[in-house]
Amino acid sequence: GNSVTQMEGPVTLSEEAFLTINCTYTATGYPSLFWYVQYPGEGLQLLLKATKADDKGSNKGFEATYRKETTSFHLEKGSVQVSDSAVYFCALSDRSFKTIFGAGTRLFVKA
Amino acid sequence: KAGVTQTPRYLIKTRGQQVTLSCSPISGHRSVSWYQQTPGQGLQFLFEYFSETQRNKGNFPGRFSGRQFSNSRSEMNVSTLELGDSALYLCASSLVGTDREETQYFGPGTRLLVL
Repeated sequence: GNSVTQMEGPVTLSEEAFLTINCTYTATGYPSLFWYVQYPGEGLQLLLKATKADDKGSNKGFEATYRKETTSFHLEKGSVQVSDSAVYFCALSDRSFKTIFGAGTRLFVKA
Repeated sequence: KAGVTQTPRYLIKTRGQQVTLSCSPISGHRSVSWYQQTPGQGLQFLFEYFSETQRNKGNFPGRFSGRQFSNSRSEMNVSTLELGDSALYLCASSLVGTDREETQYFGPGTRLLVL
């Protein structure tokens, strides 16, 4: 079945550091890929998405490119801020009426 | 447009009791999904409803059930609560749920503590 694997956390960075959170997937067909973010005490919210191979999703300085050849969707940001501290979830969606989420990666950004 | 709302936000129950959680989707959204989030297991899919019909179900025991009403509002019920049911229960809505490009919109969750 479909699955998503993302790097274990926590990831601790200093402000203005470069961020990469790795995500790989296994899926049949052509899923859409998503990154969701969860801030403390809140539900998940969409950060970015890509719906086909080579698409790049971007939002708030975060980027991720749908790489079908490596089945990856790594999240990157050039300069993180303290306010980016949160849990990040990689996810995929096909037509099976459910979204498959990775385990989540907690990010701490120190001032 | 109002977001997804969930009630109650916090709940404390004892083992053996039952609980009902409520979710109101974004207006116009007809698909509602439920997830259980725990530190150990992450986000696990419970079930998905569309037009009052359950279309998909995750690997949870029969103690977990749900329903959807004609206005798309949804409830989930957990009977005979166990300590391991303590979790954050998240509801998410989307327009139809069958478009793989759709974004799911999540509510803030209901935090359930079972003592």
